[in-house]
Amino acid sequence: EDQVTQSPEALRLQEGESSSLNCSYTVSGLRGLFWYRQDPGKGPEFLFTLYSAGEEKEKERLKATLTKKESFLHITAPKPEDSATYLCAVRLNAGNNRKLIWGLGTSLAVNP
Amino acid sequence: GAGVSQSPRYKVAKRGQDVALRCDPISGHVSLFWYQQALGQGPEFLTYFQNEAQLDKSGLPSDRFFAERPEGSVSTLKIQRTQQEDSAVYLCASSFGGAGTDTQYFGPGTRLTVL
Repeated sequence: EDQVTQSPEALRLQEGESSSLNCSYTVSGLRGLFWYRQDPGKGPEFLFTLYSAGEEKEKERLKATLTKKESFLHITAPKPEDSATYLCAVRLNAGNNRKLIWGLGTSLAVNP
Repeated sequence: GAGVSQSPRYKVAKRGQDVALRCDPISGHVSLFWYQQALGQGPEFLTYFQNEAQLDKSGLPSDRFFAERPEGSVSTLKIQRTQQEDSAVYLCASSFGGAGTDTQYFGPGTRLTVL
């Protein structure tokens, strides 16, 4: 069964304390892996798309990497405004299938 | 340009009532998706449109759920005879093309509470 698992479920960091969030997947074929950020009461906000193992993308304090089994979202020197739930989703390489399969998310809290 | 908008933002329904949730995608976006998100969970796929064609409705939980996009733009998700288990946030997303790797942009969601 196609599955996406995120860890940890929750993470609390001090401002400036770097860390990584994990997204592991077991799917029949990966067409793309997506990272989103979701703030309370809002829809997910797109961060990155990764397509193949070895690919990396960066945006401000965030860096996403991809291997054949998992993706990491590295947060360098986080600030309180980085507090949010980070969601990972995959799109399968299966014909015209367009749907995303989502993990449960990692709730990140950054204390000042 | 405006992002994806959804209305209403909040809806309270009595059990058994019908509800209609509206999604206005980003102008020119071909693909439109509906997701259901329970509290503390990731979004769950409901259905997908490419223009006016509903190409995948495999995620609709029952025949009480119905979605349409008659002119290939605005979409409506209708839930008939609402049940308490339908309480969730309903998210709409759109993407520019039909290619599955196109980024999906989400609206703010409609929070449905069924009493």
